[in-house]
Amino acid sequence: GAVVSQHPSRVICKSGTSVKIECRSLDFQATTMFWYRQFPKQSLMLMATSNEGSKATYEQGVEKDKFLINHASLTLSTLTVTSAHPEDSSFYICSARAGGTAGTGELFFGEGSRLTVL
Amino acid sequence: GDSVTQMEGPVTLSEEAFLTINCTYTATGYPSLFWYVQYPGEGLQLLLKATKADDKGSNKGFEATYRKETTSFHLEKGSVQVSDSAVYFCALSESDNFNKFYFGSGTKLNVKP
Repeated sequence: GAVVSQHPSRVICKSGTSVKIECRSLDFQATTMFWYRQFPKQSLMLMATSNEGSKATYEQGVEKDKFLINHASLTLSTLTVTSAHPEDSSFYICSARAGGTAGTGELFFGEGSRLTVL
Repeated sequence: GDSVTQMEGPVTLSEEAFLTINCTYTATGYPSLFWYVQYPGEGLQLLLKATKADDKGSNKGFEATYRKETTSFHLEKGSVQVSDSAVYFCALSESDNFNKFYFGSGTKLNVKP
């Protein structure tokens, strides 16, 4: 089946630095990818929808200048957490929809990236 | 707004025991309902889904029925195996925006030999 891969799976950084997380669709093209975050014992929350060749669409309450999303190709979306702080420590997961008409194809998820900000 | 609530884990069972993981939802309209499973070190994988009331989704011995009257989509399996140990997520997608998913907090299942 279709595969979505994230890198890195774990990252530890110092407060104030920026961290980039990559999301790749390995065997299909994805015009739209999605970024979620999950706090401990809480639900995955949709952060933004990443659109190839255009600006991302952010959910209410998500700072677009804090979480920069770039979807430069049909197989790669990146999430950059800028000037990270300990409260940004979380589990970030991406997903992409494969095939289907009008976006009805199955949604595939990456394995997630655990960010820890010291 | 839309939301999904599922039972907290971890759930620990012996092999061949019966499994139920409860999931209830709040939604406007007629959402589609899903169960995703995440094995250690892997991404979420679609386990089963149901797109309308009274539909039953089933896969790998797991099943769940879309109950509109109780707004529930409980996951069941008659006889669990050690290999079923994973985190299970209940989710819904809005009827007018199938790209927008709402997830439960996940339930970790541990199956002991």
